[in-house]
Amino acid sequence: NAGVTQTPKFQVLKTGQSMTLQCAQDMNHEYMSWYRQDPGMGLRLIHYSVGAGITDQGEVPNGYNVSRSTTEDFPLRLLSAAPSQTSVYFCASSLSLGQQETQYFGPGTRLLVL
Amino acid sequence: DAKTTQPPSMDCAEGRAANLPCNHSTISGNEYVYWYRQIHSQGPQYIIHGLKNNETNEMASLIITEDRKSSTLILPHATLRDTAVYYCIVRVNVGRDDKIIFGKGTRLHILP
Repeated sequence: NAGVTQTPKFQVLKTGQSMTLQCAQDMNHEYMSWYRQDPGMGLRLIHYSVGAGITDQGEVPNGYNVSRSTTEDFPLRLLSAAPSQTSVYFCASSLSLGQQETQYFGPGTRLLVL
Repeated sequence: DAKTTQPPSMDCAEGRAANLPCNHSTISGNEYVYWYRQIHSQGPQYIIHGLKNNETNEMASLIITEDRKSSTLILPHATLRDTAVYYCIVRVNVGRDDKIIFGKGTRLHILP
């Protein structure tokens, strides 16, 4: 298993540009989520999904869209990038909603918005 | 907001046990306590979790007080590779709202 993969690893955008951060997992996990981490801060939940076709907002959803058309993929879209979205983005997945399930994290995508 | 409180930083001598405290005074009866750590800029790594009994695995031990309002993560023989930010998380699970909310964590420095 490759686990949780994220692409790209690094990205530089100009203000107003759009892009999609890709996240994929090959563990047949139902639950996937996106976090952002600003320098010196903890992780903040952006959006999450409990299964294909279902998505919900986390703590900081504004400026981001997600969709979950398949179990494997959970892309995060920035429609009009802003400097405040400069951050490191982590995708995570777990088997189910159950509290016994641990989350597996991807390596992160480092985004700089100029 | 995170439902846990942790000291912002701690030091521990290499080879000694590192004891990381966490307060979660508003924890509900069916909520678990999870610990993750983040080394440098990598993605967080799962360490251990528990409900009310003490737990141990190959990485660490988790001690939860009887009233469940606090817990302690114990790394029995800390090494330099254990230098990381450690996050204590209370797993919120209300129907579809299984949000895993991270706090600011404790930055653990292992001193040679």
